Amino acid sequence: GQQLNQSPQSMFIQEGEDVSMNCTSSSIFNTWLWYKQDPGEGPVLLIALYKAGELTSNGRLTAQFGITRKDSFLNISASIPSDVGIYFCAGGYYGGSQGNLIFGKGTKLSVKP
Amino acid sequence: DSGVTQTPKHLITATGQRVTLRCSPRSGDLSVYWYQQSLDQGLQFLIQYYNGEERAKGNILERFSAQQFPDLHSELNLSSLELGDSALYFCASSARTGSTNEQFFGPGTRLTVL
Repeated sequence: GQQLNQSPQSMFIQEGEDVSMNCTSSSIFNTWLWYKQDPGEGPVLLIALYKAGELTSNGRLTAQFGITRKDSFLNISASIPSDVGIYFCAGGYYGGSQGNLIFGKGTKLSVKP
Repeated sequence: DSGVTQTPKHLITATGQRVTLRCSPRSGDLSVYWYQQSLDQGLQFLIQYYNGEERAKGNILERFSAQQFPDLHSELNLSSLELGDSALYFCASSARTGSTNEQFFGPGTRLTVL
């Protein structure tokens, strides 16, 4: 099925460092969402973006909806050990009858104390 | 806690068998989505129901089916199970089709087919 290109696949960083990950698509979306998944758990919604160019923060997390509507990035500032997990981007379309999301394959984040 | 519940948490069964996974959406949410997550495929959308009606189909096999009941809970039925069906199955819910894509995921059911 259709998937987004999410990079990097994995990151090993030192506690306190900033992190950046991004997603690109060949299709235009009108929604971009970022989720975090801990092992054995369901994905948890971090940030939802609905407008091209929109920049939204949630604590130490900041995400942007690309101007072309084909990309998005997520930044984590001053990483801490509990940031460890897999981060997924998801693109979708709202306003129609279908609301399913297309997910990237995830960025696995490891934080060294 | 997302408010979405799924049962069972774990399921171990044999090839050729049939299982039913259950999902209760967040209170007030009308849309239910089912996703399959395997190691090499990531999160794959299977099917969406809105207020009891099927709204969208993704990569769902013919051996799989789902329904949403009047109380809005949903069941995913997997039949003639194969080894490759072993995966995590997630249910998600959202408030209303078309208003938002903010989907909230349940804890998942881990299916192991032996």
